[in-house]
Amino acid sequence: NAGVTQTPKFQVLKTGQSMTLQCAQDMNHNSMYWYRQDPGMGLRLIYYSASEGTTDKGEVPNGYNVSRLNKREFSLRLESAAPSQTSVYFCASSPGTSSSNEQFFGPGTRLTVL
Amino acid sequence: GENVEQHPSTLSVQEGDSAVIKCTYSDSASNYFPWYKQELGKRPQLIIDIRSNVGEKKDQRIAVTLNKTAKHFSLHITETQPEDSAVYFCAASPYSGGYQKVTFGTGTKLQVIP
Repeated sequence: NAGVTQTPKFQVLKTGQSMTLQCAQDMNHNSMYWYRQDPGMGLRLIYYSASEGTTDKGEVPNGYNVSRLNKREFSLRLESAAPSQTSVYFCASSPGTSSSNEQFFGPGTRLTVL
Repeated sequence: GENVEQHPSTLSVQEGDSAVIKCTYSDSASNYFPWYKQELGKRPQLIIDIRSNVGEKKDQRIAVTLNKTAKHFSLHITETQPEDSAVYFCAASPYSGGYQKVTFGTGTKLQVIP
């Protein structure tokens, strides 16, 4: 099993450009999450999807949109990138059941907006 | 919403000594408290977690304690080794039996000096 995979690993954008970060998991998990990680600020939740067909805003959703394409895939879109969105983005998934709470993270995407 | 504070932000210990990282949370509805370890350039990974019906949990050299009344919890690492060097994140979640909206602390960079 590959676990949680993310593409791309690195990306440089110019201000105003758009892009989509892709995330997929092969663990049959119900819940998926997008975080951003900035120095000194920990991991902040952007959006999450409790189950297929649902999405909700997290702590820092402004400037982002998400799509839960199916149970496996959860994408994050930046419509008009800004320098403040320079960050490392992590996708995560969890079973979303009462038996396990662990979140499994992808390898991350390092995004720079010039 | 939930607010998680974590201290210290950096911690240096000699190999073989103990390390303690402390966190406080604000939402009394939080009942699930995971700890994640992130090595340099890697993804966060769960190392231990505790639920509110338990006051302490141990796993080899790692232990976590929880004081629900005071809303604080701590990570204890004994007999530290160089491979314990990493950033550690505490987190809190009002686990509801399915998905979990986790709020992370800002991280503690632990350096174990050989």
